[in-house]
Amino acid sequence: SQTIHQWPATLVQPVGSPLSLECTVEGTSNPNLYWYRQAAGRGLQLLFYSVGIGQISSEVPQNLSASRPQDRQFILSSKKLLLSDSGFYLCAWSRGRNTGELFFGEGSRLTVL
Amino acid sequence: DQQVKQNSPSLSVQEGRISILNCDYTNSMFDYFLWYKKYPAEGPTFLISISSIKDKNEDGRFTVFLNKSAKHLSLHIVPSQPGDSAVYFCAASATGGDKIIFGKGTRLHILP
Repeated sequence: SQTIHQWPATLVQPVGSPLSLECTVEGTSNPNLYWYRQAAGRGLQLLFYSVGIGQISSEVPQNLSASRPQDRQFILSSKKLLLSDSGFYLCAWSRGRNTGELFFGEGSRLTVL
Repeated sequence: DQQVKQNSPSLSVQEGRISILNCDYTNSMFDYFLWYKKYPAEGPTFLISISSIKDKNEDGRFTVFLNKSAKHLSLHIVPSQPGDSAVYFCAASATGGDKIIFGKGTRLHILP
């Protein structure tokens, strides 16, 4: 069966510090991978998605970046965090070019102080 | 530009009654629609979906209705149960596309 894990689960970081959130998927190959953010009053905002290794599409201009160094690994990064980066970050995967459902990780709560 | 809109931030329904959650979309290329349920501090879980070739899909207590001409869909939960209290997200995608776009969510409170 397929599983998805992301870490860390909780992170408190000062403004201007770097960020790295990691997500891995097991039990499937060539998944589409996604990073979403849930911020207060803004629902689930698509940040990045990837259809293959090294292929990243950015949805929202911001100081975050994403990378996919391996087929089932998706990393969300920032060089300098802003207060507005606080939120609940969710990694998800789906079965390729699809109209199908997303499978979400447990989420990572980021608080920037 | 919000392509998927859930205009009700919250909804309170008596236990045992019907809960109706609404969703509107603007992108006519969307042809597949999904509902997700989310508890606090957890990832959303898939609930039910509908393709644009249908106008209704039913799964147990959950039914999704799609009105393509109005670009509107709704999720009906009947009867509503305490465990249904959660945030419900509407989502949409287009065939051949890779993006799945979510609305802002509606928080459903089931009252005893």
